[in-house]
Amino acid sequence: GENVEQHPSTLSVQEGDSAVIKCTYSDSASNYFPWYKQELGKRPQLIIDIRSNVGEKKDQRIAVTLNKTAKHFSLHITETQPEDSAVYFCAARKNYGGATNKLIFGTGTLLAVQP
Amino acid sequence: ETGVTQTPRHLVMGMTNKKSLKCEQHLGHNAMYWYKQSAKKPLELMFVYNFKEQTENNSVPSRFSPECPNSSHLFLHLHTLQPEDSALYLCASSQDSGAYNEQFFGPGTRLTVL
Repeated sequence: GENVEQHPSTLSVQEGDSAVIKCTYSDSASNYFPWYKQELGKRPQLIIDIRSNVGEKKDQRIAVTLNKTAKHFSLHITETQPEDSAVYFCAARKNYGGATNKLIFGTGTLLAVQP
Repeated sequence: ETGVTQTPRHLVMGMTNKKSLKCEQHLGHNAMYWYKQSAKKPLELMFVYNFKEQTENNSVPSRFSPECPNSSHLFLHLHTLQPEDSALYLCASSQDSGAYNEQFFGPGTRLTVL
């Protein structure tokens, strides 16, 4: 079945630095890759996503890159701020032919931005 | 508060108890999901309902029994649970279960099984 690996499990950066989180997936048929942010004690929320027909997507300080050949995708956060501190989850979705939006999640990365 | 609510927020139960978790979404969505979130583990999909029909059961033990009476409500009935079932149970909803629809999560129910 599909497997998603996420690294690192923890990441500490200084405010203003960049942070990069990497994920690899096993199923080459995966076609959708969302990233969720979960602040302490709160619910996961979608921050950015990318489809398999796109190599890069950017939204202000957040960007995601996808390398289909290598089956990996990465989240890039520039000019980090303390409010970026959270657990970040990557996920991959395989197209099962219509009905099921089945996301396979990575194990999460705890990002700590030091002021 | 977002459009997906869950009750109760915390639940402590013994292994012989029967309890239910409730999820309600006010977003007009047609798909609803149950996830289990344990420490140091990925979010695990448990069940998917699309237009009230169960489309996914991710090999979940029968001591977990979902119910979806309509597109706005989702329940998870619990009975004879084990301590290893202690976790955060998250409900989510999306427009429907296909394609690239964003999943909106509820705040979760923190379950402790004694």
